[in-house]
Amino acid sequence: RKEVEQDPGPFNVPEGATVAFNCTYSNSASQSFFWYRQDCRKEPKLLMSVYSSGNEDGRFTAQLNRASQYISLLIRDSKLSDSATYLCAVSSGGSYIPTFGRGTSLIVHP
Amino acid sequence: GAGVSQSPSNKVTEKGKDVELRCDPISGHTALYWYRQRLGQGLEFLIYFQGNSAPDKSGLPSDRFSAERTGESVSTLTIQRTQQEDSAVYLCASSLEAASSYEQYFGPGTRLTVT
Repeated sequence: RKEVEQDPGPFNVPEGATVAFNCTYSNSASQSFFWYRQDCRKEPKLLMSVYSSGNEDGRFTAQLNRASQYISLLIRDSKLSDSATYLCAVSSGGSYIPTFGRGTSLIVHP
Repeated sequence: GAGVSQSPSNKVTEKGKDVELRCDPISGHTALYWYRQRLGQGLEFLIYFQGNSAPDKSGLPSDRFSAERTGESVSTLTIQRTQQEDSAVYLCASSLEAASSYEQYFGPGTRLTVT
């Protein structure tokens, strides 16, 4: 089993839709979780950290499910500009090197 | 403030030549990482620096790859005797500290093409 797994997609949704992605991790000692966004031929950019209690930033909501070892990203009211690849990153307390998933591709169409 | 910068943005080289890639981290960031991303693939960790500690080189794919960092500033990644499979985007990231809780900030990358 890979350390961090994501459904590559693509998720093809209309504008205004709500879409959710999951990212599963295998190391139960994982402590830090992040979502990054990567546009085509660009570098990853931090979207949000994922806190144990869950967190929200505008249309984006991130949640952590420790029991099932996954994090999720929910995007409400999708915009065309949300089209990108969404990468999750997971770190355990003993490692300074996060493990990145391969990303989930989102395409928002008119 | 200024983000992570990398140079060159693009590099085309012939097979067998050496290349040197540069990364300027965000000022004050003590941790610096190098990753490789092949087309359509995920991020592949290469090497990590934290201050003056010995770097973690566990991700370097072969002895043709090496990297240096002077203190908490600029880092260079060197690839000797380049091969076509080295073609990829090389991304540098910096982080405030070498702790798992700190987010990474990426530079724009160097797109390396080996012909």
